Amino acid sequence: AQSVTQPDIHITVSEGASLELRCNYSYGATPYLFWYVQSPGQGLQLLLKYFSGDTLVQGIKGFEAEFKRSQSSFNLRKPSVHWSDAAEYFCAVGGGGSQGNLIFGKGTKLSVKP
Amino acid sequence: KAGVTQTPRYLIKTRGQQVTLSCSPISGHRSVSWYQQTPGQGLQFLFEYFSETQRNKGNFPGRFSGRQFSNSRSEMNVSTLELGDSALYLCASSQDSPNYGYTFGSGTRLTVV
Repeated sequence: AQSVTQPDIHITVSEGASLELRCNYSYGATPYLFWYVQSPGQGLQLLLKYFSGDTLVQGIKGFEAEFKRSQSSFNLRKPSVHWSDAAEYFCAVGGGGSQGNLIFGKGTKLSVKP
Repeated sequence: KAGVTQTPRYLIKTRGQQVTLSCSPISGHRSVSWYQQTPGQGLQFLFEYFSETQRNKGNFPGRFSGRQFSNSRSEMNVSTLELGDSALYLCASSQDSPNYGYTFGSGTRLTVV
């Protein structure tokens, strides 16, 4: 069965420090992978997506993610975190094509210390 | 370009009542999906509509239903509300296939008392 695991429920980093949020997926075929961010009481905003090609993907707000097929991972990174990055981050997997839906991980809540 | 619009933003209903939530997708998007978000279960897929037809369905009881109109606007309905239906209901639209990514609305916060 398809699934997404985000092992870290809550992460706290200092402002200016680097960030890596982990995501592991289980999917039988070539996955389409996504990272979304959600601020409190709001909907989800797409940060970046991977369909094929270069395994290092650049997104908005200075985020990047790397697809590692051998590890079934799609970790999100940012070199220097800003206080405004505090939010909840969701990894999702889809299968491409016209059918199906995205499957989301449970999310990682990011807190940023001044 | 207007985003995905969900109305109302907040709703308080009594157990046993029914509720209808509305979603207007981005212009040109034909696929509309609905998710329920709760702290315990996370984001759970309800259903997806494409060209007025339900194309995909999650694992929710029949009390949860939806429809899509010819202008791609969508509604979801929950009948006989239970306390456990309290959640943030998110609508997401995509051009043709959800698998290429969604644009989400801000959600409707439903509280059942």
